[in-house]
Amino acid sequence: KAGVTQTPRYLIKTRGQQVTLSCSPISGHRSVSWYQQTPGQGLQFLFEYFSETQRNKGNFPGRFSGRQFSNSRSEMNVSTLELGDSALYLCASSSGTGDIQYFGAGTRLSVL
Amino acid sequence: QQPVQSPQAVILREGEDAVINCSSSKALYSVHWYRQKHGEAPVFLMILLKGGEQKGHEKISASFNEKKQQSSLYLTASQLSYSGTYFCGTEMRPNDYKLSFGAGTTVTVRA
Repeated sequence: KAGVTQTPRYLIKTRGQQVTLSCSPISGHRSVSWYQQTPGQGLQFLFEYFSETQRNKGNFPGRFSGRQFSNSRSEMNVSTLELGDSALYLCASSSGTGDIQYFGAGTRLSVL
Repeated sequence: QQPVQSPQAVILREGEDAVINCSSSKALYSVHWYRQKHGEAPVFLMILLKGGEQKGHEKISASFNEKKQQSSLYLTASQLSYSGTYFCGTEMRPNDYKLSFGAGTTVTVRA
């Protein structure tokens, strides 16, 4: 069974640009969560999607948005990039509430 | 509400034991434990649910004190492969759909 796939693995952008990250969950998983990981803040929850609906959102500005498609694949978009957005962005999929979350390898975003 | 993990770091020799704690000021529904090695994705270790249910690897031991809102992860007879950063993630309600993670505990096991 294939694991969680995140693309691209690395991204370099400049301030003011926007970026879209992609996450393909494990087959059969309908829940996808996104996290931002930085050395100073650790793992911070961004949002969670289930069957194309956002069920919860973390404390991030509106520049961070996401969506989920009917095949459960999810995308995360960050507009008007700031230097502080440099981080490892992880997505995790699970089969349901309170169940094991399987993480992808992440997308490392560097904003110059 | 982010849980508080302690200690921040621990250094062990192979075969030694350690305990990692995860505390919350709010009532918890579940506690999830993950280990992340440098440059890799976090890997699931254990889920502990309110009421006593547990899901996890046989070789991992953990507890959940519902009265104290505290969970502990026990590393017994540590091996070199136990090195990494351990995170606890907490949910306050069954349908929270959100894990709040602690800052992590870095474990280094030396030969």
